[in-house]
Amino acid sequence: AQRVTQPEKLLSVFKGAPVELKCNYSYSGSPELFWYVQYSRQRLQLLLRHISRESIKGFTADLNKGETSFHLKKPFAQEEDSAMYYCAPRAGANSKLTFGKGITLSVRP
Amino acid sequence: DTAVSQTPKYLVTQMGNDKSIKCEQNLGHDTMYWYKQDSKKFLKIMFSYNNKELIINETVPNRFSPKSPDKAHLNLHINSLELGDSAVYFCASSQGSKDSPLHFGNGTRLTVT
Repeated sequence: AQRVTQPEKLLSVFKGAPVELKCNYSYSGSPELFWYVQYSRQRLQLLLRHISRESIKGFTADLNKGETSFHLKKPFAQEEDSAMYYCAPRAGANSKLTFGKGITLSVRP
Repeated sequence: DTAVSQTPKYLVTQMGNDKSIKCEQNLGHDTMYWYKQDSKKFLKIMFSYNNKELIINETVPNRFSPKSPDKAHLNLHINSLELGDSAVYFCASSQGSKDSPLHFGNGTRLTVT
C-alpha cells in the first residue's frame, strides 16, 4: 500500500540550530516528492520538490531511494521558519498528492 | 491576480443546512482538487477533476457533490451538513504531469453548529 510517514508531530529548536524534518515513503515505482509549508492560518505553499533539486529559504531535501526517505533540512533555523510542514509523494500524472500527517516546527528566539 | 481563489473564506452554518464553496483558478491548469483539513491539521484528498471529468473520488459521503462547469472552476456543494463536516476545505489546481506541484487556495473555514 502507498504510504507516507512523518514520524514526529513537533520539533522545537532554538534560532540558529540545525533542523531535520523526517519523511519516509512506501510507494511502488518512482514517485515525485514534494514538501509543502503552511504558516499559521494560511494556505499551503510549495516549499520544494525533488525534481528541482533546489534550495528554498535555506531548506534542502535529498531523495534517498535506498532508504525511501526525503528528509527536509536546514542548517540554521530562523524564527520565521515556524510553521507546519508536510511531505507529499505523488505516484503519477493526474494522481493525487498524498500528504503526511505534518510536523509543526517551532523556532524559539 | 490571485491564482486559486475560493469563496467564502469563512462559513458558519447550522446542522442540516446545505451550503456551497466556490473555487476558481486562472493558471490554465487542467486538474483541480478539493482537500479537507481537519482539526488535527491532517490533509485528505476528497475529489479531483481533470478537464471537467471526475478522476478521483475518495471515500466521501454522498452529501458532498463536486461540480466543474469548466476546467477553471470546481465547486463543492454539501447537503445536510453535520458537525463532523467542520474543517478547512482547500481547493487546489495543477497541470497533469507527475512533477507539477499543486497550487492551493486560501481555504474555506467551515463551522457547523
